[in-house]
Amino acid sequence: DIVMTQSPDSLAVSLGERATINCKSSQSVLYSSNNKNYLAWYQQKPRQPPKLLIYWASTRESGVPDRFSGSGSGTEFTLTISSLQAEDVAVYYCQQYYSSPDTFGQGTKLEIK
Amino acid sequence: EVQLVESGGGLVQPGGSLRLSCTAYGFIFSSNAMTWLRQTPGKGLEWVSGISGFTEYYADSVKGRFTISRDNSKNTLYLGLNSLRAEDTGVYYCAKGGSRWYFDSWGQGTLVTVSS
Repeated sequence: DIVMTQSPDSLAVSLGERATINCKSSQSVLYSSNNKNYLAWYQQKPRQPPKLLIYWASTRESGVPDRFSGSGSGTEFTLTISSLQAEDVAVYYCQQYYSSPDTFGQGTKLEIK
Repeated sequence: EVQLVESGGGLVQPGGSLRLSCTAYGFIFSSNAMTWLRQTPGKGLEWVSGISGFTEYYADSVKGRFTISRDNSKNTLYLGLNSLRAEDTGVYYCAKGGSRWYFDSWGQGTLVTVSS
């Protein structure tokens, strides 16, 4: 199985500041045939299911604010929130869908400083 | 609007059985891969089982105990849980996607508790 490791486990950022979450996969999730990274990011707020933010490592889901962006390729990826808003307090997960079983990172808890 | 509504969770004794359902609205159910995932305090978010067309996929931890199925005429996904163990306790989500595709919609989740 591909192991997904996120860092840090928790993060406190001031309102309006940048938040950066990292995700590393134990093997590449870049499929050479289509040059796509099979990597998604989700946001989970308390008592809610995860919500898709980013797919193919950098494509923002419809309706997701443009302060959220994804980058990276191969085995190293980053989710960036350019200007933190109060409603962004949540746990964030990366997920690979390159090979079965799909696997998730352990989550990064984002709070307001 | 896409909506997934799960039901069927509850409290069950070790060794017992449950059947979870997930009814889909707002998209062509029969054309999409569907997946069951769970969230537990111990293992976090975990892929459990998926179905694409009529091909079924299972995590090693549930193979032989859980059965995924779908009824396209009812827009409903099912998960049969047998020989339940304490470590199966968690919130079970159905999600649209799988088979090398991301999960773009999730249900609200249904809680399964395995305890005597």
